[in-house]
Amino acid sequence: EPEVTQTPSHQVTQMGQEVILRCVPISNHLYFYWYRQILGQKVEFLVSFYNNEISEKSEIFDDQFSVERPDGSNFTLKIRSTKLEDSAMYFCASRLSTDTQYFGPGTRLTVL
Amino acid sequence: GENVEQHPSTLSVQEGDSAVIKCTYSDSASNYFPWYKQELGKGPQLIIDIRSNVGEKKDQRIAVTLNKTAKHFSLHITETQPEDSAVYFCAAIDDYKLSFGAGTTVTVRA
Repeated sequence: EPEVTQTPSHQVTQMGQEVILRCVPISNHLYFYWYRQILGQKVEFLVSFYNNEISEKSEIFDDQFSVERPDGSNFTLKIRSTKLEDSAMYFCASRLSTDTQYFGPGTRLTVL
Repeated sequence: GENVEQHPSTLSVQEGDSAVIKCTYSDSASNYFPWYKQELGKGPQLIIDIRSNVGEKKDQRIAVTLNKTAKHFSLHITETQPEDSAVYFCAAIDDYKLSFGAGTTVTVRA
């Protein structure tokens, strides 16, 4: 069964450093998402992406964040200058045309 | 935007008993309500979903009910088994993005 994959599973970085989180959505899917879950809190929407552009973004997704689909398979989330409060689990999700979103296993980001 | 509330936050049941998790949503325009199961170290896995033109949906031991008037929906797990132990999240669609409840940690006691 096709699934969303994410790398790395755990990323540790120093405050102020740039990180890139990588996702490979399900191959024929068209819509891509990033969500995050701070420990003990709700899963929160960050950004949606379709047809090589951002469809919608939340208040969290400020100028420090960017997304890219550099080729036909990868979907990345970049945080330019990480802050302590960026520490969270980041989930990538994708969908075809229906509402159903499929989630990856997540990347745990720890900012020291 | 959409606000989803989920109760209870923790639920402990005896193996074989039923578990019920309840969620409410705020945006009457929401029309799609998925439930996800998250096991330790894994991402949310879709287990069942329901659309607003349907009042109830069942898949083996799992069922979901939706009351559009009251804006609440519930997950029912019957004949619980140890492998049902996990965190369960309800969600509502809000302009193609999901708004999640806070999650329910379900523990099935053998």
